[in-house]
Amino acid sequence: GENVEQHPSTLSVQEGDSAVIKCTYSDSASNYFPWYKQELGKRPQLIIDIRSNVGEKKDQRIAVTLNKTAKHFSLHITETQPEDSAVYFCAARYRYSTLTFGKGTMLLVSP
Amino acid sequence: DAGVIQSPRHEVTEMGQEVTLRCKPISGHDYLFWYRQTMMRGLELLIYFNNNVPIDDSGMPEDRFSAKMPNASFSTLKIQPSEPRDSAVYFCASSPLKGGGTEAFFGQGTRLTVV
Repeated sequence: GENVEQHPSTLSVQEGDSAVIKCTYSDSASNYFPWYKQELGKRPQLIIDIRSNVGEKKDQRIAVTLNKTAKHFSLHITETQPEDSAVYFCAARYRYSTLTFGKGTMLLVSP
Repeated sequence: DAGVIQSPRHEVTEMGQEVTLRCKPISGHDYLFWYRQTMMRGLELLIYFNNNVPIDDSGMPEDRFSAKMPNASFSTLKIQPSEPRDSAVYFCASSPLKGGGTEAFFGQGTRLTVV
C-alpha cells in the first residue's frame, strides 16, 4: 500500500516567517494530495489540495508544490500568524478514494 | 447540510465493555471512512465503505473491531470487548463519488477512553 512520510514532526517559527512542511509518497499511481489542518481538539479540515497533473497551487498565503518524479510534495505558508498554529497533515490518495495520511507536523507560530 | 455527524463526542468505558460509535455521513456521499487517531500512530484508516459495502477493512486492528453500514445515512464502529489500548479519537469521514472521491469531510470525532 501507499506510505506517506512527513517532515518535520514539529516546527517553530516567528510570526511573519515562512513555514515549509515536506512529504514523500511511495506509490507513483497516487494522484491526489490534500493538506489538512487540525486545531487542538478539532477535526482535520482541508486547506489546500493538488492533483498530479499540476505542479503548484496557491491560495493566498498557502501554496503546495508537487514533484511527481521525486514523489514529494510540500506545503508553504508565508507571513505566518499565530492562528496558523495547528497540526498539519499531508495525505496521498492510493487506490480509488482512500487517503493515506502522514504522521503530522505540529506548527507553532510565536508572536 | 450539517456535515458529518458523530456520536457520542466523548465516551468513557471500563475495560471489557462493548463500545459503539456512530456516524451519519453527508447526504449524497458515496464513501465513508473510519479513522483512528493517536499520538503514536497518527491518523490510521480502519475501514471504508462504498455505497454501504465494506471495501477494505485491512486496517481494522483485530476481531474485536467491527463496522457496519446498514444504509447510506448511518454507520457504526463497534469494539467488543474494549481494552485500554483502544483509547483514541475515532473519526468518521465521508467523500463524494464525483471527481474520484476527492476531499474527505471529517466529523468532530469521538474521544474514547477505556479505563
